[in-house]
Amino acid sequence: GAVVSQHPSRVICKSGTSVKIECRSLDFQATTMFWYRQFPKQSLMLMATSNEGSKATYEQGVEKDKFLINHASLTLSTLTVTSAHPEDSSFYICSALRQASGSPLHFGNGTRLTVT
Amino acid sequence: GQQLNQSPQSMFIQEGEDVSMNCTSSSIFNTWLWYKQDPGEGPVLLIALYKAGELTSNGRLTAQFGITRKDSFLNISASIPSDVGIYFCAGQGNAGNMLTFGGGTRLMVKP
Repeated sequence: GAVVSQHPSRVICKSGTSVKIECRSLDFQATTMFWYRQFPKQSLMLMATSNEGSKATYEQGVEKDKFLINHASLTLSTLTVTSAHPEDSSFYICSALRQASGSPLHFGNGTRLTVT
Repeated sequence: GQQLNQSPQSMFIQEGEDVSMNCTSSSIFNTWLWYKQDPGEGPVLLIALYKAGELTSNGRLTAQFGITRKDSFLNISASIPSDVGIYFCAGQGNAGNMLTFGGGTRLMVKP
């Protein structure tokens, strides 16, 4: 069964609003979670690494003030897309790293964000 | 970010045929992973490889971790329609680090 739960699976929002996406590890503690973005017919591109209790590390070109990440507990990380624009429409996927394991990474089922 | 070179980009095969895809990198990885992604869903782990030269099977799937640690292949034997999807390789440098993904191989199977 699924070990990483992502919610919501789909969201449609208006331009200028903010959207929060949750990523939960269901039966293990995850000190590290990763957030990816995937455009149609493309591979997964890492946006940021989320570490429990500390600031997230963002990849080059990803605006930290636009994509707010909060990893407040060992089982939950959230990604908030602030002031969303149509170009933010994409498939967002999280993955969680089992504590003291290293690999492999388990992925959530993704969130399809559509900004109108 | 960096991507692995994955080939082929797409394959259209007849049911029952065998399939082979591979990934190469200019960098060394300590772990190679193979995932399958269905439309609208997240990637699902198929096989994880942890040692250079390792050959691992999972049902009709077989994957190998290249000796040089810079490549890996995935074979699917006797393909069936439900094998349709996008297959991604991923390399991991050190345990706990993020994954670097290949560009994906889109597999289509004709019944």
